[in-house]
Amino acid sequence: SYELTQPPSVSVSPGQTASISCSGDKLGDKYTCWYQQKPGQSPVLVIYQQSKRPSGIPERFSGSNSGNTATLTISGTQALDEADYYCQAWDSGTVVFGGGTKLTVL
Amino acid sequence: QVQLVQSGAEVKKPGASVKVSCKASGYTFSSYDINWVRQATGQGLEWMGWMNPNSGNTNYAQKFQGRVTMTRNISISTAYMELSSLRSEDTAVYYCARDNNVGAGFDPWGQGTLVTVSS
Repeated sequence: SYELTQPPSVSVSPGQTASISCSGDKLGDKYTCWYQQKPGQSPVLVIYQQSKRPSGIPERFSGSNSGNTATLTISGTQALDEADYYCQAWDSGTVVFGGGTKLTVL
Repeated sequence: QVQLVQSGAEVKKPGASVKVSCKASGYTFSSYDINWVRQATGQGLEWMGWMNPNSGNTNYAQKFQGRVTMTRNISISTAYMELSSLRSEDTAVYYCARDNNVGAGFDPWGQGTLVTVSS
């Protein structure tokens, strides 16, 4: 079965750029999305179709996808960006999530 | 606004079944697939399957085939997920989410339903 691999944790200082990776076989050929989840809340879509932002998502969130790796980038990271982030892709009609990355802003 | 509202928390005994509902509002229910995703405490997101409300067609994750059934009632814009033969490992928050089609992601998500399996 298809797998997506994320680093368990990423740390960033306020105002700096955070990058969260998601790797999978030929991931660049697939649609990818990213979700933000804060404690006790439902996930929120922050990036879809590799690099598009839903309305209401700040411009500091961006995405890219090439080869075997998709990347979520948060520019000018703020304390309120501290959360778990999950990548997601479709493979042969099924949905796959990465294991999640805890972003710490310190 | 587009919204998915789920049914309340459930406590079930091992071997029982649970049926969670997901009521859609603010859009045409039959136009978007509904996916179900679960999350055990402290764990990641686990996809269970999707249902097309228009046709009733479903696609279940292999892990849940034979135990999960996804259905809908179009007249009340509600999707259902039933999981049978419950075991303690099924204790989790269960979410429904609208699939915006063609790689456009899941948005919105329901508020989640906690299902606790305990003897």
